[in-house]
Amino acid sequence: QADLVQSGAEVMRSGASLRVSCKASKYTFINYYLHWVRQAPGHGLEWMGWINGYTGATGYEQEFQGRVTLSRDTSVDTVYLNMRSLTFNDTAVYYCARRASMKVVGPHYALDVWGQGTTVTVSS
Amino acid sequence: QSALTQPASVSGSPGQSITISCTGPNGDLDIYKSVSWYQQHPGQAPKLVIYDVSIRPPDISDRFSGSKSGNTASLTISGLQTEDEADYYCCACPSSYSLENFMFGGGTKLTVL
Repeated sequence: QADLVQSGAEVMRSGASLRVSCKASKYTFINYYLHWVRQAPGHGLEWMGWINGYTGATGYEQEFQGRVTLSRDTSVDTVYLNMRSLTFNDTAVYYCARRASMKVVGPHYALDVWGQGTTVTVSS
Repeated sequence: QSALTQPASVSGSPGQSITISCTGPNGDLDIYKSVSWYQQHPGQAPKLVIYDVSIRPPDISDRFSGSKSGNTASLTISGLQTEDEADYYCCACPSSYSLENFMFGGGTKLTVL
């Protein structure tokens, strides 16, 4: 059973930079995209961006363009979310989730495996 | 911010059926490549329950079904059970500018009375 394990909870100061990791296991990392989704307390899901596990290509929701950077290390099957200039509004649970590329059986337009979530609290 | 519109809440009694709707911006869902649905219990990660409008993952009960008609996608849960009480989110993968960018609906809270 494919699995995504994320790094632990973070308490950050406003203005600081955040790094969250997402380690994949029990599937072929390069055959999938990894997406990031966040959820502020009491709010819905907010899509942030994706990274192609094979090529490293990325795409971001416009709101996060320039402030969020996704990267991956194929030697350890891990994806990283980096976010700078944190504000209180970035307080949320951050999830990574997998999406199949066209190289493998789908679903190709859905997120079928999710990490457990990383709670990020930003304080002043 | 959500480009997809869902009702804030729905409710039903055990054994009944409920339907949650999801409408695209400008009432047009046809520009989207695919629609999926996610179930989220409090304190847990979302779980995929429907993808490509109407396909169930292997581990999902056949009480869950999806459809699309015109401008609206729908998730129907039949034979409601207490464990179905959760938040449900629709999600679309737009084809207008990128096949990889996703967007979620605002979510619907299902209460099983």
